Amino acid sequence: TQLLEQSPQFLSIQEGENLTVYCNSSSVFSSLQWYRQEPGEGPVLLVTVVTGGEVKKLKRLTFQFGDARKDSSLHITAAQPGDTGLYLCAGAIPGTGNQFYFGTGTSLTVIP
Amino acid sequence: NAGVTQTPKFQVLKTGQSMTLQCAQDMNHEYMSWYRQDPGMGLRLIHYSVGAGITDQGEVPNGYNVSRSTTEDFPLRLLSAAPSQTSVYFCASRTSYGYTFGSGTRLTVV
Repeated sequence: TQLLEQSPQFLSIQEGENLTVYCNSSSVFSSLQWYRQEPGEGPVLLVTVVTGGEVKKLKRLTFQFGDARKDSSLHITAAQPGDTGLYLCAGAIPGTGNQFYFGTGTSLTVIP
Repeated sequence: NAGVTQTPKFQVLKTGQSMTLQCAQDMNHEYMSWYRQDPGMGLRLIHYSVGAGITDQGEVPNGYNVSRSTTEDFPLRLLSAAPSQTSVYFCASRTSYGYTFGSGTRLTVV
């Protein structure tokens, strides 16, 4: 059983389209992170959110942490082929030694 | 460049063989960990360490050993390889801001 469920699992869109990826759990997280992983490489940290309702922007990427700190979303505006990759969310659960648990990921393909 | 270095990049083992995956970081991070990544399963924690001399088990520790004699190095040992250990392995170090991952080791056990 995954603590973090990501949806959709796969996403294929045309360049220029917008998209949203979701990360949901029944657990409350002290913080949540988003990573992007390219083929043959390790995940690379994009952002960390810690406050319920927090919104962070990274160029065309907008990250939001749910008010109850149980969910998060990643919105990409005007997707580009360089956005292609596996997007992973990871949450830290209080009382577990601050262990981070990873979602199963959303595989995004942006077609030129 | 600063970061996490993993070796080897690829490895094929026969069932029953043992081997060590190497991991080194030069960022002076106290926390290091090993994950395996399998399709549809996400990243699963094998073992982790919060500092030199201290290690603990993660979600899927069976069949693996670790040690942490220095802050920099955190090797992962497969004791007797099994086909179920075919996976991509990532070493990572961590601060309160997030993880820095190595580029991974793709291991196939035949």
